[in-house]
Amino acid sequence: QITLKESGPTLVKPTQTLTLTCTFSGFSLSTRELGVGWIRQPPGKALEWLAHIYGDDEKRYSPSLKSRLTITKDTSKNQVVLIMSNMDPVDTGTYYCAHRRSSTHFSYWGQGTLVTVSS
Amino acid sequence: EIVLTQSPATLSLSPGERATLSCRASQSVSNYLAWYQQKPGQAPRLLIYDASNRATGIPARFSGSGSGTDFTLTISSLEPEDFAVYYCQHRYNWPLTFGQGTRLEIK
Repeated sequence: QITLKESGPTLVKPTQTLTLTCTFSGFSLSTRELGVGWIRQPPGKALEWLAHIYGDDEKRYSPSLKSRLTITKDTSKNQVVLIMSNMDPVDTGTYYCAHRRSSTHFSYWGQGTLVTVSS
Repeated sequence: EIVLTQSPATLSLSPGERATLSCRASQSVSNYLAWYQQKPGQAPRLLIYDASNRATGIPARFSGSGSGTDFTLTISSLEPEDFAVYYCQHRYNWPLTFGQGTRLEIK
């Protein structure tokens, strides 16, 4: 059974750096065909893909946010970490991590974690 | 970046009726399109992948069709639990993008 869960701060101040952790079970992020992505959703708005990491450590980023994002994995801990710098109130929203095989879509999602950016 | 445009923004129907949701891509995505359902306070759930394949556990009343730039999600007979927001998403290339969503509400 595949499960994912996001964790991190619920409140960050503008200009601060956000670090979110996705802890998963039911698979090992050690092969090229498996990956974990991060997707966010501002309150009442649509989903936005942020970043993706494959088991072979290939990484992909949203072009509009690439300068602010870093995605890494710790295979031994079954974790994927997303770092977003220079947070702004417009970055407020629910952040999800999701599992994806290279030839499919996001099949399994975490419950999401709400991050509020406010001074 | 491929832009996905969903229509209508809101669809008001009654239980038992047929729902037809549309997703149009700004360029061809072949059949690499998925549909997700999202209920309030919940994560999205994969319904349809690669345009027409139902994900595990998805009822047969949900079906997807289309290829290239025009795609349709059809719910043959609406159940009360189907009223939610639906998103399309492509995996044709990077960056992955989602549509803006269609809200399916009870009439």
